[in-house]
Amino acid sequence: QVQLVESGGGVVQPGRSLRLSCAASGFTFSSYAMHWVRQAPGKGLEWMGVISYDGSNKYYADSVKGRFTISRDNSKNTLYLQMNSLRVEDTAVYYCVRDPRKIIITFRLSYWGQGTLVTVSS
Amino acid sequence: DIQMTQSPSSLSASVGDRVTITCQASQDIANHLNWYQQKPGKAPKVLIYDASNLEPGVPSRFSGSGSGTDFTFTISSLQPEDIATYYCQQYDSLALFGQGTRLEIK
Repeated sequence: QVQLVESGGGVVQPGRSLRLSCAASGFTFSSYAMHWVRQAPGKGLEWMGVISYDGSNKYYADSVKGRFTISRDNSKNTLYLQMNSLRVEDTAVYYCVRDPRKIIITFRLSYWGQGTLVTVSS
Repeated sequence: DIQMTQSPSSLSASVGDRVTITCQASQDIANHLNWYQQKPGKAPKVLIYDASNLEPGVPSRFSGSGSGTDFTFTISSLQPEDIATYYCQQYDSLALFGQGTRLEIK
């Protein structure tokens, strides 16, 4: 079965960087687009970005464009989110999410990890 | 940029009630809309895709309709396990969620 396990969250000071990882198993990772979605405490969902199955295409929400970078290592079945210049308002649970169909990006957020909490605080 | 307006922000209903949530896009998004359910402490789950298609395994009491700018999500007969927050999400231009609707049992 599809399993997505995020890691790398924790407490970080404003202005610092953090890299999240998402380990994928139970499916052919290299065939699917992957997304990052976050949720601030007590708030709604915010889609942050997507990377195509082969890493050749990436799209970001305006709120994180230029600060956050999505990448993947298909040989390690792992998705990454590099977060730079972190702000207090980046405090959230970060989810990695798989698209349901091979190759194409449908933006249907079908398979979710359990999330990892990032707290940006001095 | 496309804006999504979801209403109501919260809703209280009785078991067995018909529940309706609406989502309005600021411009025509065709049928490029999904609906999600998020239970407390859990990751969201997609219920409806492409505005009106039921995700496999999702109970038939859930349904979606609409196209263009106006969309509706309906629970035909509310069950206790449906207590959750519901979100619409457009994908006509990248992806954007509505603000969410918190559903409570009266």
